[in-house]
Amino acid sequence: AQTVTQSQPEMSVQEAETVTLSCTYDTSESDYYLFWYKQPPSRQMILVIRQEAYKQQNATENRFSVNFQKAAKSFSLKISDSQLGDAAMYFCAYRSAEGAQKLVFGQGTRLTINP
Amino acid sequence: DAGVIQSPRHEVTEMGQEVTLRCKPISGHDYLFWYRQTMMRGLELLIYFNNNVPIDDSGMPEDRFSAKMPNASFSTLKIQPSEPRDSAVYFCASGRNIQPQHFGDGTRLSIL
Repeated sequence: AQTVTQSQPEMSVQEAETVTLSCTYDTSESDYYLFWYKQPPSRQMILVIRQEAYKQQNATENRFSVNFQKAAKSFSLKISDSQLGDAAMYFCAYRSAEGAQKLVFGQGTRLTINP
Repeated sequence: DAGVIQSPRHEVTEMGQEVTLRCKPISGHDYLFWYRQTMMRGLELLIYFNNNVPIDDSGMPEDRFSAKMPNASFSTLKIQPSEPRDSAVYFCASGRNIQPQHFGDGTRLSIL
């Protein structure tokens, strides 16, 4: 079974600075998808960014980018120019490319933005 | 397009009562998922459907939990009888094949 580990329960960063959230996963599959979801206090689950395992290029969405290291099974999220609205829980998630469509989530990292 | 719609947003009920959570997926999505979020266990999948058919219900905690999807635009998650340990946020999500899942706003359930 696949597992996802987020080793940082909490992180904080100064507004306008850069922060990196860590995620590692365990799988025997070669093709899969990885996601970062954001959960603000409003409780919504918002997709931040997505990475296909067969793509070597790291995904980027505006201020959000990932560092995908397939051999190391690492998938970190970098947030540049942090803004107060980025404060939230961030969840890393794994999904098989075939078969089971379910998401396997990490335990989450609570990100605080200091003004 | 409307997103995934869940109701109610909050539910408070007494132990032993039946609880029904409802979900309307995004039109055209053929996958529907029910997740539960607790402090102790994080986000975990309870059950998911493909084309209204349950595919994996291995996450359903016990027989007190049941889920149905009578048509492509509606699903229910029922707990009968409810217990205090069922208190959690329940999310419904829908998706289409390889596309990312879209989540509803969740139902916060409190069993007294």
